[in-house]
Amino acid sequence: SQQGEEDPQALSIQEGENATMNCSYKTSINNLQWYRQNSGRGLVHLILIRSNEREKHSGRLRVTLDTSKKSSSLLITASRAADTASYFCALRSNDYKLSFGAGTTVTVRA
Amino acid sequence: GAGVSQSPSNKVTEKGKDVELRCDPISGHTALYWYRQSLGQGLEFLIYFQGNSAPDKSGLPSDRFSAERTGGSVSTLTIQRTQQEDSAVYLCASSPDLAGAGEQFFGPGTRLTVL
Repeated sequence: SQQGEEDPQALSIQEGENATMNCSYKTSINNLQWYRQNSGRGLVHLILIRSNEREKHSGRLRVTLDTSKKSSSLLITASRAADTASYFCALRSNDYKLSFGAGTTVTVRA
Repeated sequence: GAGVSQSPSNKVTEKGKDVELRCDPISGHTALYWYRQSLGQGLEFLIYFQGNSAPDKSGLPSDRFSAERTGGSVSTLTIQRTQQEDSAVYLCASSPDLAGAGEQFFGPGTRLTVL
């Protein structure tokens, strides 16, 4: 199964700034999900976007999906120290498995 | 309500020993997944269970790895004759069903260290 590739691998921003990370993939998907992981432990689901959707919002999160370019972006607005974490995109294809990329590590400086 | 729980949270073992990792999914969730995450890496799919169907074991890296799910609830991942390359965080997740939207609920993981 395919994996998403996140870009950049790491991101350091000042509190209050926006953080943007991207996920690219190779074959068709059913949906794409973003997860957050703190301190290398359990993941928390953030948002899911289906293949027929182009943009979704949840609080300070905005996700876009461009199926023609096979890419997605996650924008975190007005970042806070608590947003410091690793962010993973996960691809869901028709075989019901989720395939995770290697993640983007975000550090928010106070 | 309780989330997904895993035990132990940390396990240190010697090379060659067997280990068992436990996962308690969210009550009522029929799908259960095991993943492995090596340091600084993404998640590697290992196995999933859906109700009474035969599990998908396609991600298990070798025949030293096995998993079972008793009574459609608790799952145990067993690693026999552990090797140093088995050191990783083992994550369990559950979801209401495979045909659903696909959101998975993760446990806190078990950090396995093989000396």
